[in-house]
Amino acid sequence: KAGVTQTPRYLIKTRGQQVTLSCSPISGHRSVSWYQQTPGQGLQFLFEYFSETQRNKGNFPGRFSGRQFSNSRSEMNVSTLELGDSALYLCASSTEWAPNEQFFGPGTRLTVL
Amino acid sequence: GIQVEQSPPDLILQEGANSTLRCNFSDSVNNLQWFHQNPWGQLINLFYIPSGTKQNGRLSATTVATERYSLLYISSSQTTDSGVYFCAVERIAGNNRKLIWGLGTSLAVNP
Repeated sequence: KAGVTQTPRYLIKTRGQQVTLSCSPISGHRSVSWYQQTPGQGLQFLFEYFSETQRNKGNFPGRFSGRQFSNSRSEMNVSTLELGDSALYLCASSTEWAPNEQFFGPGTRLTVL
Repeated sequence: GIQVEQSPPDLILQEGANSTLRCNFSDSVNNLQWFHQNPWGQLINLFYIPSGTKQNGRLSATTVATERYSLLYISSSQTTDSGVYFCAVERIAGNNRKLIWGLGTSLAVNP
């Protein structure tokens, strides 16, 4: 079974731009969660989607948004990028029976200049 | 909210040595997981262990939920064990299921 895939793997943007990241979960997994990881801050939970609905949300500003499609693929969007948004963005998928037994993708490393 | 503390924050080992990583949490939890993040950023789920002991090759984990801690044992360490080890606990409150992460233990295994 293929693992979680994320695209793109690396991205360089400038302040003020917007970016969209994509995540394809493991086949059969309907829950997708997004995390931001920065040095010294650990993993910060962004949001979780299940069946095309946002089920949980972390404490991030409204510039961070997401959505999930009927095939469980998810996208995350960040508008009006700031330097502090530079981070590794991780996506994790899980089943509906064990939503917090999460399997992670390789991440998208975003650099904002 | 619940606090998750991992120790030590950093660890350097010689290949072949054994080590114990610790995860303390401040309140009762429904589940606990250990993850390994390799130097390229990939996070791998090692153990899903709300209580008891599990073993997988050279790695084993023990969670004592009543005393609010979990231990990850690495035996005969190899250079490929290098990376960051995270502990994450699950707290269920009604329909809200939260995964709360520790800051990790950074392990370097030298040849």
